[in-house]
Amino acid sequence: ELKVEQNPLFLSMQEGKNYTIYCNYSTTSDRLYWYRQDPGKSLESLFVLLSNGAVKQEGRLMASLDTKARLSTLHITAAVHDLSATYFCAGGEGGSQGNLIFGKGTKLSVKP
Amino acid sequence: DARVTQTPRHKVTEMGQEVTMRCQPILGHNTVFWYRQTMMQGLELLAYFRNRAPLDDSGMPKDRFSAEMPDATLATLKIQPSEPRDSAVYFCASGLVRTGAETQYFGPGTRLLVL
Repeated sequence: ELKVEQNPLFLSMQEGKNYTIYCNYSTTSDRLYWYRQDPGKSLESLFVLLSNGAVKQEGRLMASLDTKARLSTLHITAAVHDLSATYFCAGGEGGSQGNLIFGKGTKLSVKP
Repeated sequence: DARVTQTPRHKVTEMGQEVTMRCQPILGHNTVFWYRQTMMQGLELLAYFRNRAPLDDSGMPKDRFSAEMPDATLATLKIQPSEPRDSAVYFCASGLVRTGAETQYFGPGTRLLVL
């Protein structure tokens, strides 16, 4: 059974700083997703990573996947207040069913 | 701009009452997922459907929860009878799943409070 662990669970950053959120998963997963959730809102898809070494970037966020280490990272560059949200990673269990197992989320707070 | 819609957005009810939550997936999507989000447990997959057929409902308490998809434009999640521990945000998500690698699009959620 796939398990997904994120760390840290809480992250307080200053604007302009860089940081990385880590997502480890327990068994083989053929796909890894990152979602963002603003308080009281729904989840918004950020990235889908499908292969070892995959790297995707959008603005100040960059996600990567290392399937050998069973690790995905979400790197934040020069954080701004608008990035304050909870970030979830989710792994897809084997097969083509499409179901995802979510981590607990990392609550990011970017302060001026 | 295609979106998943959910109704109601908020529901307050008393213990023992029936609760029905509805979801309209994005037109053309073949897979619908139901999730529950709580502070303690995070996001849990309750059930999901492919082409309206249930694929897995192992995440759902069977004695009180039921999920159906009466047609391609409507998925329902029922709780009967409801209990205070069912208080949570229930999300519906849909996707056009062919290989399993496709994105799931989440609805706004139904925030349920059982007193």
